Amino acid sequence: DTGVSQDPRHKITKRGQNVTFRCDPISEHNRLYWYRQTLGQGPEFLTYFQNEAQLEKSRLLSDRFSAERPKGSFSTLEIQRTEQGDSAMYLCASSPRGAGNEQFFGPGTRLTVL
Amino acid sequence: LAKTTQPISMDSYEGQEVNITCSHNNIATNDYITWYQQFPSQGPRFIIQGYKTKVTNEVASLFIPADRKSSTLSLPRVSLSDTAVYYCLVGVINAGGTSYGKLTFGQGTILTVHP
Repeated sequence: DTGVSQDPRHKITKRGQNVTFRCDPISEHNRLYWYRQTLGQGPEFLTYFQNEAQLEKSRLLSDRFSAERPKGSFSTLEIQRTEQGDSAMYLCASSPRGAGNEQFFGPGTRLTVL
Repeated sequence: LAKTTQPISMDSYEGQEVNITCSHNNIATNDYITWYQQFPSQGPRFIIQGYKTKVTNEVASLFIPADRKSSTLSLPRVSLSDTAVYYCLVGVINAGGTSYGKLTFGQGTILTVHP
């Protein structure tokens, strides 16, 4: 257990529905990241927050995806009008300032879109 | 970020030393080399990070030659529980020790440790 928690751990939804995932980082970490991982592939970067500011978004983050980190604490990732191609593991990670490339990953949320 | 190349899979036996080599021919001056481990249905876990020569911690050693175009992760005396996917990454870290955000993972090396 790294101290990063994600909720829910599993989510099954029907195509076209909206889903929202939550990530609670380690409390003193000011940086928070979202990644997506499909079977057999490494995690792919989605977006990155420093405190409450969203500093970078991947091209993978289409208009249907939105992420927030109000007050620089927990973060939510919402997917609107889900598609079957959105089925993946969604990983959240956090890191403190000065940690180099060491990020602490949560257990992930497994999304299945039927 | 510099692209990395590593073997798709490796096999080993309990008690042996395992060396996984990663190529990063286009590594930039400010890039650091980082390795992560991932078990099924879990998030990746940081193993070790280095810039040049040799870095050692309680779980692994990282060897980086002078040209920094490759690196080798060394796992001493592996056990069955070391069966996992190992990712090599390179990424910029500034003078304050802070990265510029995203990590770029490749496909990783599937290490299987046999009894």
